[in-house]
Amino acid sequence: GNSVTQMEGPVTLSEEAFLTINCTYTATGYPSLFWYVQYPGEGLQLLLKATKADDKGSNKGFEATYRKETTSFHLEKGSVQVSDSAVYFCALLDGGYNKLIFGAGTRLAVHP
Amino acid sequence: DAGVTQSPTHLIKTRGQQVTLRCSPKSGHDTVSWYQQALGQGPQFIFQYYEEEERQRGNFPDRFSGHQFPNYSSELNVNALLLGDSALYLCASSLPGTGYSSPLHFGNGTRLTVT
Repeated sequence: GNSVTQMEGPVTLSEEAFLTINCTYTATGYPSLFWYVQYPGEGLQLLLKATKADDKGSNKGFEATYRKETTSFHLEKGSVQVSDSAVYFCALLDGGYNKLIFGAGTRLAVHP
Repeated sequence: DAGVTQSPTHLIKTRGQQVTLRCSPKSGHDTVSWYQQALGQGPQFIFQYYEEEERQRGNFPDRFSGHQFPNYSSELNVNALLLGDSALYLCASSLPGTGYSSPLHFGNGTRLTVT
């Protein structure tokens, strides 16, 4: 079946450092891909998405490019802030009806 | 504009008991999905309700059941609770449709602890 694999955390960075969180997927065809963020005590928020190969999703300085050759959707940000500290989830759309398959999540901690 | 609201926020139950969790979707949304998020894991799809019917179901036992009311709100019921049912239960609402025609909006979840 379809699945998502994320790099294990926690990822600890200093403010203004460059961020990469790796995500690879296994799927039939080319499903839509997503990054969600979960702040402490809150639900998930959609950060960005890409619906087809070579699409680049971007939001709030975060970017991810849908790479079908490497079945990857790595999340990047050029300069992280303390407020970016959260858990980040990579996900794919599994068939119809908005069913998502999530990775295990990667915790990011940014220190001043 | 109220987002997705879930109640209660926290709940402690004993093994073997039954629990009911509640969700009110975002205004204008009529499709509700439930996810289970175990500690340190990503959310796993339980099921989705649309037009008061279960439209799709994940790999969860029949102890997990749900309901959707005419006002689109939903309940998740879990019978014969096991320690392994301890998790954060997330509700997400959306408009109907296939693919990603309508983004999912998540509530803050109900933290269930089974002792």
